[in-house]
Amino acid sequence: DTEVTQTPKHLVMGMTNKKSLKCEQHMGHRAMYWYKQKAKKPPELMFVYSYEKLSINESVPSRFSPECPNSSLLNLHLHALQPEDSALYLCASSLDRAGDTQYFGPGTRLTVL
Amino acid sequence: LAKTTQPISMDSYEGQEVNITCSHNNIATNDYITWYQQFPSQGPRFIIQGYKTKVTNEVASLFIPADRKSSTLSLPRVSLSDTAVYYCLVVLGDNAGNMLTFGGGTRLMVKP
Repeated sequence: DTEVTQTPKHLVMGMTNKKSLKCEQHMGHRAMYWYKQKAKKPPELMFVYSYEKLSINESVPSRFSPECPNSSLLNLHLHALQPEDSALYLCASSLDRAGDTQYFGPGTRLTVL
Repeated sequence: LAKTTQPISMDSYEGQEVNITCSHNNIATNDYITWYQQFPSQGPRFIIQGYKTKVTNEVASLFIPADRKSSTLSLPRVSLSDTAVYYCLVVLGDNAGNMLTFGGGTRLMVKP
């Protein structure tokens, strides 16, 4: 299995809602990432987990809360988001170190009303 | 942190060879050069990675001159399905922060 899956594909939420994005891989990778991508812009790194520990947080607002329950799963908990947080949220994984070849999921298209 | 510069867009025709050059003037000794392809509403897909000279795989070649301050992704005989955004990244060879920065990307349009 060489796939990274993300659920849901689309999510619409209000500014007072709490929701979660889910990412899963079964390639035995030990590094997992969250990126945010706005339209016609490159992906921007948000968080990196290495061996289930948060290793990089790119100064992301606390309304985004990552969680890595085990080596195969990565969640992104969302709370009190703003309309400008609407974007494509991409999950990726790599074998070991941050910087190894990354395998990306299809993304979750998030709209904040 | 090695920053990359690429052309914003390129046009080509089916069957032609396409070369996309990326500039990374302050690349460090331990850095690798990696290229990704992204289609609309999909995640980026790894194409090729290299450190120096030339690397070739089943989809592309990567040419890196001796000074490593630039690199060229070469796509042989492109087809319409190669229309996508191509990103060049310089990735640190050690486990340090801030090394996963995508450049602006090059939008390649392949025409019939």
